[in-house]
Amino acid sequence: GNSVTQMEGPVTLSEEAFLTINCTYTATGYPSLFWYVQYPGEGLQLLLKATKADDKGSNKGFEATYRKETTSFHLEKGSVQVSDSAVYFCALILRGSGNTGKLIFGQGTTLQVKP
Amino acid sequence: GAGVSQSPRYKVAKRGQDVALRCDPISGHVSLFWYQQALGQGPEFLTYFQNEAQLDKSGLPSDRFFAERPEGSVSTLKIQRTQQEDSAVYLCASSAGFDSYNEQFFGPGTRLTVL
Repeated sequence: GNSVTQMEGPVTLSEEAFLTINCTYTATGYPSLFWYVQYPGEGLQLLLKATKADDKGSNKGFEATYRKETTSFHLEKGSVQVSDSAVYFCALILRGSGNTGKLIFGQGTTLQVKP
Repeated sequence: GAGVSQSPRYKVAKRGQDVALRCDPISGHVSLFWYQQALGQGPEFLTYFQNEAQLDKSGLPSDRFFAERPEGSVSTLKIQRTQQEDSAVYLCASSAGFDSYNEQFFGPGTRLTVL
């Protein structure tokens, strides 16, 4: 079936550290890939996306590259801030006729950044 | 309002009661999704509407769950004879188009607790 697997959390980092959150997927067909973020007390927000192989999505200093050969979409940031503390979700949408555009999410990874 | 709104934000129900959860999507958005997010998990798809048509209800866990969007705008998710396993956050999302390239905007969710 179609699924997304993320690294287990929580991930605890000091401010200005390098962040990687691993995400791999299994999908029939050719999905679009997304990272969503959920800040404490807020709703899910789209962080970045990529729609085809080798595309790099980027936003707010975060980046992720669509790697078809390894079925991965790892999230990275060079220097995290306390304000980046949140839960991060990797997700996919299957494309093509017959697919309704529903998101398939991973289980989420909690990031805690300490000053 | 500019975003997706949901009401109530919190709902406590006794086992066996019926509940109704409301979603007000962004004005003009044709697509509307409902997701269920259990504690510590990623959201899972429940159902999808394109305007007033319910095109996918494959994620509804049982026939106790029913959703409608009669005029193609506001949607209601109804759960009959609630059970403890129904306790979760119910998320609504809307998007402007009806393919995977359109961003889904999420509401803040309704946290349902079944005692």
